[in-house]
Amino acid sequence: QKEVEQNSGPLSVPEGAIASLNCTYSDRVSQSFFWYRQYSGKSPELIMSIYSNGDKEDGRFTAQLNKASQYVSLLIRDSQPSDSATYLCAVNLGRSGAGSYQLTFGKGTKLSVIP
Amino acid sequence: DGGITQSPKYLFRKEGQNVTLSCEQNLNHDAMYWYRQDPGQGLRLIYYSQIVNDFQKGDIAEGYSVSREKKESFPLTVTSAQKNPTAFYLCASSIEVASGVAYEQYFGPGTRLTVT
Repeated sequence: QKEVEQNSGPLSVPEGAIASLNCTYSDRVSQSFFWYRQYSGKSPELIMSIYSNGDKEDGRFTAQLNKASQYVSLLIRDSQPSDSATYLCAVNLGRSGAGSYQLTFGKGTKLSVIP
Repeated sequence: DGGITQSPKYLFRKEGQNVTLSCEQNLNHDAMYWYRQDPGQGLRLIYYSQIVNDFQKGDIAEGYSVSREKKESFPLTVTSAQKNPTAFYLCASSIEVASGVAYEQYFGPGTRLTVT
């Protein structure tokens, strides 16, 4: 069973701090990794995707991927109260064909940014 | 505006009734998906479709049916055979962003179904 694990939280950080969200996955052949933000009662919104080892930055968000350790993380710099949400990690199932279409989602980490 | 629409936003049904959830996209995406989300659980895949007139079962297809007659539309029917139908249902579509490697999925606003 292919799995994606996240700490459920809640993770509380003060406004202006760096929030660090972590995700591990079990399938070594996974090649694409995504972070979604989901506000309470709303649908998930794609905020970051990463395919290669290393860091990818987009504004206040940085995704980090380490395929050898099967680990992907999301850093949120200068955290704002509006960042308070559940963050879902998603990983594709395989290299090609049907596997690349499907994503396995973690259960999410709830982030609370305290003003 | 391009996007994914789901209707209705809230749906109430009596036990034993079939109900169809609508999902339409104008993003020209080939692949579409249906997930359900329950409190404290991750998203679970019900069905997905890579092309018109073709679809595959996901992890929890029992009690559900779909059709894909048009590229833009992927309706989901929740049948009376589904034992615990009350959930938040999410439709998504995807676009290829790295040849054969990655498909970014985008979600509609969801339909919250309550069956009593």
